[in-house]
Amino acid sequence: DAGITQSPRHKVTETGTPVTLRCHQTENHRYMYWYRQDPGHGLRLIHYSYGVKDTDKGEVSDGYSVSRSKTEDFLLTLESATSSQTSVYFCAISPGQPTYEQYFGPGTRLTVT
Amino acid sequence: LAKTTQPISMDSYEGQEVNITCSHNNIATNDYITWYQQFPSQGPRFIIQGYKTKVTNEVASLFIPADRKSSTLSLPRVSLSDTAVYYCLGYTGGFKTIFGAGTRLFVKA
Repeated sequence: DAGITQSPRHKVTETGTPVTLRCHQTENHRYMYWYRQDPGHGLRLIHYSYGVKDTDKGEVSDGYSVSRSKTEDFLLTLESATSSQTSVYFCAISPGQPTYEQYFGPGTRLTVT
Repeated sequence: LAKTTQPISMDSYEGQEVNITCSHNNIATNDYITWYQQFPSQGPRFIIQGYKTKVTNEVASLFIPADRKSSTLSLPRVSLSDTAVYYCLGYTGGFKTIFGAGTRLFVKA
């Protein structure tokens, strides 16, 4: 399995509080992704990174920010958590060209009460 | 607007071949299409990727027609352990991705 971890694995927080999720990789892959998974919606891209300090928005980026200060870490921040952000969050890494496969972390289950 | 469409669910019996088709709309013309398998409470797991024509590995085949508007994942001789959700993934430009909603495959004995 690819060396990718997520922390925390579970978190319960209150509406309005900031939350940061961490993704850590040991594969030195250039590309990193944050997805959320909700019943009936599959996996939706929140943000992605194509290098250190290089990030871009996905289809559901509102309410989320990311940072990547070094290759191995990609942080997802919910500035002010809302109940609609209750979800399972997956981080993925990819070597990029010429191969496009993504390797996923175990996920973080976030509940906003 | 890019979009990928898959059947919501499929049933099969052990030993049969299963084909799952994903329709892609406006995905990037020069990027690969990848497929993933997901079990409950786990992250998706990469199965196979392709650009065009047919690719085969030890677990699956992937067929992509010349127009690249669809791709078909083929699972030969499925077993009970292949019961899972299968996703196609395309790229919409740069390295921005879009997943299909997933196909829930149920394999019966």
